[in-house]
Amino acid sequence: DTEVTQTPKHLVMGMTNKKSLKCEQHMGHRAMYWYKQKAKKPPELMFVYSYEKLSINESVPSRFSPECPNSSLLNLHLHALQPEDSALYLCASSRGTGVMNTEAFFGQGTRLTVV
Amino acid sequence: TQLLEQSPQFLSIQEGENLTVYCNSSSVFSSLQWYRQEPGEGPVLLVTVVTGGEVKKLKRLTFQFGDARKDSSLHITAAQPGDTGLYLCAGAGQAGTALIFGKGTTLSVSS
Repeated sequence: DTEVTQTPKHLVMGMTNKKSLKCEQHMGHRAMYWYKQKAKKPPELMFVYSYEKLSINESVPSRFSPECPNSSLLNLHLHALQPEDSALYLCASSRGTGVMNTEAFFGQGTRLTVV
Repeated sequence: TQLLEQSPQFLSIQEGENLTVYCNSSSVFSSLQWYRQEPGEGPVLLVTVVTGGEVKKLKRLTFQFGDARKDSSLHITAAQPGDTGLYLCAGAGQAGTALIFGKGTTLSVSS
């Protein structure tokens, strides 16, 4: 199984809503990532979890809150988002975070629209 | 700061043509990866190059890593409409941090 599964595929939420994005992998990977991608732009790193601990937070606003309940699951909790947060949110995993372990497997993404 | 520059940013060609996409940096990377992303989907890993001067082939796609491990190229022979997509080069950041992506090359192949 080389899949990273993200749910939901599409999400529309109001600026006062609270929602969560979910990501799951069963490849035994110990690093998991959240990326944000705007149209025709490359993915921008948001968070890195290594061995279930948050290792990198790229100065992401607190309205985005990541959580790693176990080595297979990664969540992104959303609260009080702004319309400019609308984007494709990508989850990825890799064997680890060492320089030789960064081949990343990406999920299909969640297309988020904030209204 | 490690940066990856990709060129060209956009490429629109006819089926059967050849093309080359470049990925350049002033920094040395231990490895570089190439991904292809179709609209509404996540990037899919095509190849990883590790050794300076390395050449890898994937059907009609040829990937090369520069001798100094600062640059890479992707050459597509006889492009087909199915090759359409966003091509991204990426490298591992310093100290084994997450991937750094180039800005991408949007390829459109028309029949």
